[in-house]
Amino acid sequence: DAKTTQPPSMDCAEGRAANLPCNHSTISGNEYVYWYRQIHSQGPQYIIHGLKNNETNEMASLIITEDRKSSTLILPHATLRDTAVYYCIVKTSYDKVIFGPGTSLSVIP
Amino acid sequence: DTEVTQTPKHLVMGMTNKKSLKCEQHMGHRAMYWYKQKAKKPPELMFVYSYEKLSINESVPSRFSPECPNSSLLNLHLHALQPEDSALYLCASSQDPGLAGGREQYFGPGTRLTVT
Repeated sequence: DAKTTQPPSMDCAEGRAANLPCNHSTISGNEYVYWYRQIHSQGPQYIIHGLKNNETNEMASLIITEDRKSSTLILPHATLRDTAVYYCIVKTSYDKVIFGPGTSLSVIP
Repeated sequence: DTEVTQTPKHLVMGMTNKKSLKCEQHMGHRAMYWYKQKAKKPPELMFVYSYEKLSINESVPSRFSPECPNSSLLNLHLHALQPEDSALYLCASSQDPGLAGGREQYFGPGTRLTVT
């Protein structure tokens, strides 16, 4: 079973920041937080991952709380092309990826 | 090059047919994966190959037969499928499993399979 809880859907206005939450209250010390997204009818796309520090790349920022029990994926300036299902996954380096239901993000013009 | 390619894009097959799905990557990744995704559901892991050896089989029926001829190629051989096997089949790859720091997976676009 997936070890994370995400809201089933969210809306975001185009150009605004999209903040996608994820709860992982049972995360253990050697487990990473990964984010993937899947645009309709395409393969999932890796976005970002982190262990305990906040991370940023060209796509997004990942904020992990100090107790590591939750995290937030931030898309700083959402565009229509960011409409997708976003999956938060918790795993060690060697675990298999288990996708939960994810959050369906709709970016609205 | 961070691309995983899959062929064919679409496949329609009868229940008595034998067909194969093909996946290829040239990123030097040593782990490759097959996933199955039904409509409006998340992807489900089927098989994992690590260093060209099958390391995980998620209790997949024997009518699905994976093969990893070399480190760049992954095949999924299909035989005597059922209509409920119709789905999007996704291939993915990731770096050497021995690396620390996590190993993100790169996915192909998938093969849309319809079994009639």
